[in-house]
Amino acid sequence: AAGVIQSPRHLIKEKRETATLKCYPIPRHDTVYWYQQGPGQDPQFLISFYEKMQSDKGSIPDRFSAQQFSDYHSELNMSSLELGDSALYFCASSRRANQETQYFGPGTRLLVL
Amino acid sequence: LAKTTQPISMDSYEGQEVNITCSHNNIATNDYITWYQQFPSQGPRFIIQGYKTKVTNEVASLFIPADRKSSTLSLPRVSLSDTAVYYCLVGGGRNDYKLSFGAGTTVTVRA
Repeated sequence: AAGVIQSPRHLIKEKRETATLKCYPIPRHDTVYWYQQGPGQDPQFLISFYEKMQSDKGSIPDRFSAQQFSDYHSELNMSSLELGDSALYFCASSRRANQETQYFGPGTRLLVL
Repeated sequence: LAKTTQPISMDSYEGQEVNITCSHNNIATNDYITWYQQFPSQGPRFIIQGYKTKVTNEVASLFIPADRKSSTLSLPRVSLSDTAVYYCLVGGGRNDYKLSFGAGTTVTVRA
């Protein structure tokens, strides 16, 4: 079965640079979620999109922005990167109807030097 | 106020049954209870979801008492590959679809 695809899988950036993470949801899933997991920490919700509109917002820094496109893929844009942004970034997708569960991608490991 | 409370860690041996109890005293009427498993450097993986009573699938069972203020995930006959962090989450009601991860339970299975 098709799973959530994230790219790139690994990314190394320097402070103050920008990064773009991409997420391709499972086919026919209309909702995309972004989570950040720092070293030794639990995943933290950043932002979500339903039918290309932002549906919920968590602890996402103002330096980050995201959007969902017409083909339902999503991109997380991160600017002015800081050392503390080093983390695993997970994307999850679901179908909103009927409380369907979220399926997570393999994550993008971002290292900011 | 934490939405869920679960033990920090549990140790077990291969072939044993592992039961993880999660407290969620403030669960809302429309909230579901969902359990995820996470291996190091991998995305969380859905295990099971329930609303009340008992749910069973090929991987685990979920027991939910009538008051729904707690739930117990039961993993039958664990193996070394079940060593992971297990998260209990409540939500989905009142259009709140995001997952709010609390501190999970690190289950270590030994030979």
